[in-house]
Amino acid sequence: KNQVEQSPQSLIILEGKNCTLQCNYTVSPFSNLRWYKQDTGRGPVSLTIMTFSENTKSNGRYTATLDADTKQSSLHITASQLSDSASYICVVSGGGYNKLIFGAGTRLAVHP
Amino acid sequence: DGGITQSPKYLFRKEGQNVTLSCEQNLNHDAMYWYRQDPGQGLRLIYYSQIVNDFQKGDIAEGYSVSREKKESFPLTVTSAQKNPTAFYLCASRNRGRANTGELFFGEGSRLTVL
Repeated sequence: KNQVEQSPQSLIILEGKNCTLQCNYTVSPFSNLRWYKQDTGRGPVSLTIMTFSENTKSNGRYTATLDADTKQSSLHITASQLSDSASYICVVSGGGYNKLIFGAGTRLAVHP
Repeated sequence: DGGITQSPKYLFRKEGQNVTLSCEQNLNHDAMYWYRQDPGQGLRLIYYSQIVNDFQKGDIAEGYSVSREKKESFPLTVTSAQKNPTAFYLCASRNRGRANTGELFFGEGSRLTVL
């Protein structure tokens, strides 16, 4: 069964600290993996996309990694800011017909 | 500016009523999608449309209906047959030529509450 699991479900960190969010998937065949940021009550916005051949990709203070062998991805946030408080959703494209399989998200709260 | 506009932002419905959520995009995207978001769950696909006058059921289409008469518009009707309609509804679109990248552009969402 094609699934995407994210951990932790929620996370609280202090402003300025780093954190890492995890995404494990069982989607096959795999096309790509994308991380989205969703502010409360808003629509998700894409942060980065990872294809099969990519191991690491950065977007400002966000760095995504992909290990296609273990089917794991992580999103590392450096020097967190209050504006990073949001849900982070991992979405894998694949499973035939490039279907999109969504994880349940990690809710991050950054406290001053 | 290009984007996706959903309306209304908040909607209250009495049991037994049908309601229609609007979704308009000016990104010139061919494909449009409706998702439902519930707490603690991933987004679930309700309906999608790859071209005008054509649409397909997603994973949870029961109790919902759509139309795609114009490229820019993809309204969703939540019918009285939907037993648990209270949720956050997200409309999205993407360019068919970029389907393999999986990038979706989302609207701001509509929160439907059944009284």
